[in-house]
Amino acid sequence: GEDVEQSLFLSVREGDSSVINCTYTDSSSTYLYWYKQEPGAGLQLLTYIFSNMDMKQDQRLTVLLNKKDKHLSLRIADTQTGDSAIYFCAERPDYKLSFGAGTTVTVRA
Amino acid sequence: ETGVTQSPTHLIKTRGQQVTLRCSSQSGHNTVSWYQQALGQGPQFIFQYYREEENGRGNFPPRFSGLQFPNYSSELNVNALELDDSALYLCASSIPGQGVNIYGYTFGSGTRLTVV
Repeated sequence: GEDVEQSLFLSVREGDSSVINCTYTDSSSTYLYWYKQEPGAGLQLLTYIFSNMDMKQDQRLTVLLNKKDKHLSLRIADTQTGDSAIYFCAERPDYKLSFGAGTTVTVRA
Repeated sequence: ETGVTQSPTHLIKTRGQQVTLRCSSQSGHNTVSWYQQALGQGPQFIFQYYREEENGRGNFPPRFSGLQFPNYSSELNVNALELDDSALYLCASSIPGQGVNIYGYTFGSGTRLTVV
């Protein structure tokens, strides 16, 4: 099973905010990542957060980190149809990435 | 600057056969990792190569093997294919060797392997 856990599906109306949640296991992870995967494509790095930060904002993306609870979230403001994809949370305690199973985000008109 | 390129994009093999997948790393990246992504799941780490040597391996049997070449490109070889090997195989490159790269990895688009 996955050490990194995510909810599997999220449906959101175009223009609304999307929030994707993730819990991870290894408190030694220095960086935590969010990747996006569109159908038939590889993984695109969306953003990352350093473990000593609580929040990071990058245009429409906001990452929140609760290190005590090992909880990570990604908020996408003003969600667009192009945001429909699978989003993966990943931790990196050593040389490899450990991914969750991914959250499929569907944007409806 | 080119990204990570993988070949082929798709292939179909028969159970018991052998397959070789190829990856060219992003310019300047000297570390290559391979991941297996089964349908509906997140990528699972197979192994990583640095300076032409394997320097980390996930929970995969020995019939999964790899190579890295002096130009940092890499191959993933799978022997005695099983139906469960059907998956998207992703290659990722990074810098530096084993150090933490805040950007994580740059992934290729993957090779979709179907074993019948």
